[in-house]
Amino acid sequence: DVKVTQSSRYLVKRTGEKVFLECVQDMDHENMFWYRQDPGLGLRLIYFSYDVKMKEKGDIPEGYSVSREKKERFSLILESASTNQTSMYLCASSYRTNEKLFFGSGTQLSVL
Amino acid sequence: GQQVMQIPQYQHVQEGEDFTTYCNSSTTLSNIQWYKQRPGGHPVFLIQLVKSGEVKKQKRLTFQFGEAKKNSSLHITATQTTDVGTYFCWAGAGSYQLTFGKGTKLSVIP
Repeated sequence: DVKVTQSSRYLVKRTGEKVFLECVQDMDHENMFWYRQDPGLGLRLIYFSYDVKMKEKGDIPEGYSVSREKKERFSLILESASTNQTSMYLCASSYRTNEKLFFGSGTQLSVL
Repeated sequence: GQQVMQIPQYQHVQEGEDFTTYCNSSTTLSNIQWYKQRPGGHPVFLIQLVKSGEVKKQKRLTFQFGEAKKNSSLHITATQTTDVGTYFCWAGAGSYQLTFGKGTKLSVIP
């Protein structure tokens, strides 16, 4: 089975801190994604990557950046965390475009 | 990403009743996927529909893709408490920008 691992289940940070969320997949998938999930707003795409060192903005990229130096790892970076970035962050991967997504267990980030 | 509307946002049913959630797009889709997220869990893939008018079944779940490939539905027959969760559709239109509906949260009253 595909495994998508997110480094932390819960994270508490202070406003202004730089935050790194890590995601690793073990199935040689081409595509990786970062979503945030908020009640009533569903899953919103922040960034995605279809190849190493490639990245594309999703629907809500403001305040975030990403890094994909290796195929299996996709990092989400909050350069200066703000309270409105408190959310559940979900990483996902897929073998190819338009194929099914495999999600990690999520990171609940609280910014105080 | 493109817009995909999912309705209803919430549905409360008595155990044994049927349940349906709908996904609608203003543009023609290449495929549609359905996911289920249990409370406290992460979305898990259920099925993918690709062909116009396609109907697929998984036990008590029936998935349909519209003839015009602009809408889809998920129907659960005789709901059980294990069906509780949020059901999401994901609409693909040939681009990398993947769009999820906002989801339908299903509650089942025993």
